[in-house]
Amino acid sequence: ETGVTQSPTHLIKTRGQQVTLRCSSQSGHNTVSWYQQALGQGPQFIFQYYREEENGRGNFPPRFSGLQFPNYSSELNVNALELDDSALYLCASSLQGASGYTFGSGTRLTVV
Amino acid sequence: DQQVKQNSPSLSVQEGRISILNCDYTNSMFDYFLWYKKYPAEGPTFLISISSIKDKNEDGRFTVFLNKSAKHLSLHIVPSQPGDSAVYFCAASRSGYALNFGKGTSLLVTP
Repeated sequence: ETGVTQSPTHLIKTRGQQVTLRCSSQSGHNTVSWYQQALGQGPQFIFQYYREEENGRGNFPPRFSGLQFPNYSSELNVNALELDDSALYLCASSLQGASGYTFGSGTRLTVV
Repeated sequence: DQQVKQNSPSLSVQEGRISILNCDYTNSMFDYFLWYKKYPAEGPTFLISISSIKDKNEDGRFTVFLNKSAKHLSLHIVPSQPGDSAVYFCAASRSGYALNFGKGTSLLVTP
């Protein structure tokens, strides 16, 4: 059974650019969530996808968007990058209705 | 608005002793609580959880206590081992939905 895998592991982007982060869910999990962890903070909920539809969103602007694919893999897209977007982005998968989330190792995004 | 708070950024404990990590929450709608452990360069790893219908859950060396009236939970690790050194995050959710995390407590277990 594979866990949650994220790519890339590290990324450097310039302010104003766009970025796409990828996540492969754990086998059997149909729900994926994305979290942003800034330095010294706990992870903050961005949004959640279930059956390819967004079914919940945290306090993040619309330039943060996502997709979930039929194989339950997912993408996080961030447009018009800002310096404050520099953070560790974590993907977590789960089985809808269950409370066990499995996290990936994250993508470290640096915006310069 | 931080709904889950871990007021101790760090904790140092001797090997073999008890580690107690604390967490407070403000939202009375939270009904499920979890503790995650995180090593550098890794994602959070699930440790133990508790439903709001219980006040205690135990798994080996780890026990979580929930005091709903005080909106407080704690994680006890007995006995503490050097391999337990990590950052511990408390998280809370409503019906298993989005997790609300605290800022974490860095635990150092010294030999």
